[in-house]
Amino acid sequence: EAGVVQSPRYKIIEKKQPVAFWCNPISGHNTLYWYRQNLGQGPELLIRYENEEAVDDSQLPKDRFSAERLKGVDSTLKIQPAELGDSAVYLCASSSGRFLAGGNTGELFFGEGSRLTVL
Amino acid sequence: GQQVMQIPQYQHVQEGEDFTTYCNSSTTLSNIQWYKQRPGGHPVFLIQLVKSGEVKKQKRLTFQFGEAKKNSSLHITATQTTDVGTYFCAGQKDSNYQLIWGAGTKLIIKP
Repeated sequence: EAGVVQSPRYKIIEKKQPVAFWCNPISGHNTLYWYRQNLGQGPELLIRYENEEAVDDSQLPKDRFSAERLKGVDSTLKIQPAELGDSAVYLCASSSGRFLAGGNTGELFFGEGSRLTVL
Repeated sequence: GQQVMQIPQYQHVQEGEDFTTYCNSSTTLSNIQWYKQRPGGHPVFLIQLVKSGEVKKQKRLTFQFGEAKKNSSLHITATQTTDVGTYFCAGQKDSNYQLIWGAGTKLIIKP
């Protein structure tokens, strides 16, 4: 079974340019997450989707970041315009969405990540 | 807001020594997950603890969930070079499905 696929793996852009990341979750996984991870830190949630609905985007900087998950499968994360502080690894993860007792999401499967460098 | 504090930030050990990382939450958790991230890699799920006082073992790794479900620990016995990486805890509350991640503990094997 294929894992979570992300592209591109690496992206170098100049500030103020746009950039987009793509994620294909594990087949059948209803829940999709976009995380940002800065060097030496834990992942920070940007947005969580249940199927095609964004159910938690409270930490997404909406002035420059946007995301979509059309048809509840693949997802894209866009930054426009990029700033120097956006340099980070953008991780996509998915989970089956079959919640256990107590709101348990179960295991998250992460992609390899997209490393963004803004110059 | 809810936080999960993880200590230490780094731990240097000689190969063969033990390693422990601790997570503490300001609020009661419904469950806690542990992930390992190798250098340059992505987080990989290790285990999930759900029950108060739960202890689970995976070979040389022992995971504990506190009685109050506010703290957890990961202990590695007799570390090996393959254990190198950063270990993250991620806690979840009943009221929402958001995972709150610790900052991670980086395991470094001394040469």
